[in-house]
Amino acid sequence: DIQMTQFPSTLSASVGDTVTITCRASQSISSWLAWCQQKPGKVPNLLIYKASHLQSGVPSRFSGSGSGTEFTLTISSLQPDDFATYYCLQYSTYSYTFGQGTKLEIK
Amino acid sequence: ELQLVESGGGLIQPGGSLRLSCAASGLIVSSSYIVWVRQAPGKGLEWVAVAYSDGQTYYADSVKSRFSISRDKSRNTLYLQMNTLRGEDTAIYYCATRRSQLVPFDFWGQGTLVTVSS
Repeated sequence: DIQMTQFPSTLSASVGDTVTITCRASQSISSWLAWCQQKPGKVPNLLIYKASHLQSGVPSRFSGSGSGTEFTLTISSLQPDDFATYYCLQYSTYSYTFGQGTKLEIK
Repeated sequence: ELQLVESGGGLIQPGGSLRLSCAASGLIVSSSYIVWVRQAPGKGLEWVAVAYSDGQTYYADSVKSRFSISRDKSRNTLYLQMNTLRGEDTAIYYCATRRSQLVPFDFWGQGTLVTVSS
């Protein structure tokens, strides 16, 4: 199975900052990588699919890049609503894998 | 309107069985793609299983041979049969689907809590 390593596990930042979260796959997944955001007590919300495509309705301050084994999620000009936990997910094979998650906290 | 409603969770002893339901409206379960994802208390998301529109199903290694998916056309419901339950299966179980083949999921139910404990 493909393993996903996501880092950092925790990230402290301030409103207005730009932050980057990284996911590394144990083997090539082409561009079959998604990013989702989850807030406490809520279901996850899809942000990015196919590594760099912004899901409809998601603010443009969210962006994704990468292919193969290395991927990044960048959030520009952080807003108060962005403080949440973020997960990557590979869906290149029939067996999907989430990353461990990154909790974005207010500094 | 698309809606997914999970049910069937509860408290079950280790080694027991439980069947979760994912009742759908706004889509035909028998020909739809549906995934199950779980989240243990205070932990991250874990992919559990997927049912493709062609009927094929796949499972995470952690549940393979213990969990299985079935569909009931008359009830427009997908089931996750969970056998030989363990403490580490304790989690909120979500079903989710997608409206585009490019995404893994983009619509979720609200989840049902399974607690495995003696």
